[in-house]
Amino acid sequence: EADIYQTPRYLVIGTGKKITLECSQTMGHDKMYWYQQDPGMELHLIHYSYGVNSTEKGDLSSESTVSRIRTEHFPLTLESARPSHTSQYLCASSGGGFYGYTFGSGTRLTVV
Amino acid sequence: AQSVTQLDSQVPVFEEAPVELRCNYSSSVSVYLFWYVQYPNQGLQLLLKYLSGSTLVKGINGFEAEFNKSQTSFHLRKPSVHISDTAEYFCAVSVISGNTPLVFGKGTRLSVIA
Repeated sequence: EADIYQTPRYLVIGTGKKITLECSQTMGHDKMYWYQQDPGMELHLIHYSYGVNSTEKGDLSSESTVSRIRTEHFPLTLESARPSHTSQYLCASSGGGFYGYTFGSGTRLTVV
Repeated sequence: AQSVTQLDSQVPVFEEAPVELRCNYSSSVSVYLFWYVQYPNQGLQLLLKYLSGSTLVKGINGFEAEFNKSQTSFHLRKPSVHISDTAEYFCAVSVISGNTPLVFGKGTRLSVIA
């Protein structure tokens, strides 16, 4: 049973629309992460958070933003979607380096 | 800074044959090491991890990995693969002290052929 949930699983949206990808975890983890991944390709860290009101940009420049108002919730927002945003977005959480990450099932986004 | 190199981007292997997926890492400090598996259209799932102690680590689905400090390697092995093992496999490293995100390798695509 998944302890980290991402919604929606699939999303097709028009260019210029604002979208929010949801990620919630029930494990009480302080650390949460967003990755972007093209099919069969490497993971790119785009945002992470080490607790409430803490957010950092990752290695890959991204036009998205995140917020962390509650421990369990770490949504990612695209203000104006573009075809270049078409990708899979993976959310993960961690209780610390010792434990590694728990990943959600991902959101596959297509911008047309 | 840490880095992870997965030496093979694709590994085809026949069903019931053994397989080794290679991973080398670079770090100036002590690390934890992980292997994750990703099935199509899914997130990543933890296969196994090395934290300390015995250098041979057993994970789920019959996989095991051996930590070699002198060669800075953490290769993943399975003595007999199944069709269902077809997936993407990622090696990752985390520093023991400090507060930085996991560093992932670029992944190895394992294709099991019937």
